[in-house]
Amino acid sequence: NAGVTQTPKFQVLKTGQSMTLQCAQDMNHNSMYWYRQDPGMGLRLIYYSASEGTTDKGEVPNGYNVSRLNKREFSLRLESAAPSQTSVYFCASSFGDLLDTQYFGPGTRLTVL
Amino acid sequence: QKEVEQNSGPLSVPEGAIASLNCTYSDRGSQSFFWYRQYSGKSPELIMSIYSNGDKEDGRFTAQLNKASQYVSLLIRDSQPSDSATYLCAVNYGDMRFGAGTRLTVKP
Repeated sequence: NAGVTQTPKFQVLKTGQSMTLQCAQDMNHNSMYWYRQDPGMGLRLIYYSASEGTTDKGEVPNGYNVSRLNKREFSLRLESAAPSQTSVYFCASSFGDLLDTQYFGPGTRLTVL
Repeated sequence: QKEVEQNSGPLSVPEGAIASLNCTYSDRGSQSFFWYRQYSGKSPELIMSIYSNGDKEDGRFTAQLNKASQYVSLLIRDSQPSDSATYLCAVNYGDMRFGAGTRLTVKP
């Protein structure tokens, strides 16, 4: 039982490049989330998915797209990376909705040059 | 505004002491509150959740909620060096909002 897994662990991009961050959970959770964490700012919600086939914007969605591929997988795409997107990205999941306890993956450290 | 405020610290306490971490929030309508612990370079992990006014105890940890004053706190009794981490307060405003965290150092 791996919990929440994320790939890659580290990534360096040049401005304008695109990439997709992958997240998968094996806990049969219904909801999945993408956060970014910047120094001094805490975790901020980018997008979330309450169920397969649905996605909703969080606090900071600009510059990102998401796909809930199936119940297990939730990907985050940066179409044209910018230095302001340098951050640590965490995926999380919960059995219920946003009121429920969230379990976090190990994170992806992204640097955009 | 959906704000969650924490003192960034660092908060330093000696081993065996009580560590007190505080968090204030801006929306009186919030119903659920969480404390997460995050070790350096790691992901957040849930310590406790609290939904009702009063105290909730779990081992060495006690969460306290006062909705009238809009604050939630975490007490760590008999602090250990292994408790040294950043503690994140989270408030559910319909989406989860996190504070920036308080860095705790427990000195042997």
